[in-house]
Amino acid sequence: DQQVKQNSPSLSVQEGRISILNCDYTNSMFDYFLWYKKYPAEGPTFLISISSIKDKNEDGRFTVFLNKSAKHLSLHIVPSQPGDSAVYFCAGIMIYNQGGKLIFGQGTELSVKP
Amino acid sequence: NAGVMQNPRHLVRRRGQEARLRCSPMKGHSHVYWYRQLPEEGLKFMVYLQKENIIDESGMPKERFSAEFPKEGPSILRIQQVVRGDSAAYFCASSGAAESLGWDTQYFGPGTRLTVL
Repeated sequence: DQQVKQNSPSLSVQEGRISILNCDYTNSMFDYFLWYKKYPAEGPTFLISISSIKDKNEDGRFTVFLNKSAKHLSLHIVPSQPGDSAVYFCAGIMIYNQGGKLIFGQGTELSVKP
Repeated sequence: NAGVMQNPRHLVRRRGQEARLRCSPMKGHSHVYWYRQLPEEGLKFMVYLQKENIIDESGMPKERFSAEFPKEGPSILRIQQVVRGDSAAYFCASSGAAESLGWDTQYFGPGTRLTVL
């Protein structure tokens, strides 16, 4: 049962343009959604999160949008830079005991070309 | 403030041997999580621990795998009698407890890459 899905395995974008990474979920009980970036042979790095009661959160070049009726979220990166080239994972979390397990999507590999 | 530390970074074992993976959480963090990434797959939750307690082990294989987070020292993920299918990257994450939100973001270590020959 895939509760979080990233249907695009890869995305290629020109430097300076907008990158839009998409994520769908089936579990309405998630309290928060998070985006992580991962380089090869490294651990995931936290980028940005959004509460399930919000519809937008912005941090610098990164904005996450949440559409609860469609059970869909997206990460916008503007402007895209070559250093953004990595695999991006979205994840949902239900909070319990002040923590909780992250349920990850399969990831989308972003390539930003100069 | 040092990040999450994992060692070893690479571990090679022969079938039937034991693998011990260590994780030191970020300073001040009392929650530890283990995730596994099999080749060509995403990250899968394994276990959630707080000091001396297993909170959720719903992602752990029923046999051969165990985890602990003692009062003193690092968290240990132990795999007994390893098989080739255990070859994967194992990531540890830690979080604190932010009173205002009731939870804290999970920060990941660099991972241990286990290869079973």
